[in-house]
Amino acid sequence: KQEVTQIPAALSVPEGENLVLNCSFTDSAIYNLQWFRQDPGKGLTSLLLIQSSQREQTSGRLNASLDKSSGRSTLYIAASQPGDSATYLCAVKTRIGGSEKLVFGKGTKLTVNP
Amino acid sequence: NAGVMQNPRHLVRRRGQEARLRCSPMKGHSHVYWYRQLPEEGLKFMVYLQKENIIDESGMPKERFSAEFPKEGPSILRIQQVVRGDSAAYFCASSVRTGGIETQYFGPGTRLLVL
Repeated sequence: KQEVTQIPAALSVPEGENLVLNCSFTDSAIYNLQWFRQDPGKGLTSLLLIQSSQREQTSGRLNASLDKSSGRSTLYIAASQPGDSATYLCAVKTRIGGSEKLVFGKGTKLTVNP
Repeated sequence: NAGVMQNPRHLVRRRGQEARLRCSPMKGHSHVYWYRQLPEEGLKFMVYLQKENIIDESGMPKERFSAEFPKEGPSILRIQQVVRGDSAAYFCASSVRTGGIETQYFGPGTRLLVL
């Protein structure tokens, strides 16, 4: 059974700090891994998607890495800003019961203090 | 191209009533997923539908919950005889497959509160 764990559950940092969010998954047979941002009361915004054959993806101040064999991914946020405050969700796409599904972690709630 | 639309955005029901949640996929998308997010939890897969077909409903409770995606109109997630434990955010995603890669696009969610 695929399980996704995100550590830490919550993180509070001062503005300007570089930070790393962690995601681990139990079954390495994944199609891809995706990082989402969720603002309070809002939907999900896709940040980065890493295919299983890739090692990392970058977008602006964000960099996500994937080590499929060890079942780990990290999301690196450079020079954090108060506007980065949100919950960050990690999800892996895997085949369960005959169809492809996204399996989500519980998220890391990030607060960036001005 | 409008994104995935869900309505209502907020829904309040009393125990025992029915809740109907609607999802309009992005134009050209024929696959719809429903997820549920309980407070302080991640999203959990409920059901995967294509037009007029339920492909995978393994994540949906066996009783009181049903879903459909008709040939015309939005996908509907229906919860009968709601209980307080049904209070959650329900997200819909539609998807398209390009070059063998499927990408899901999420709607803003419907927040259901059962009193």
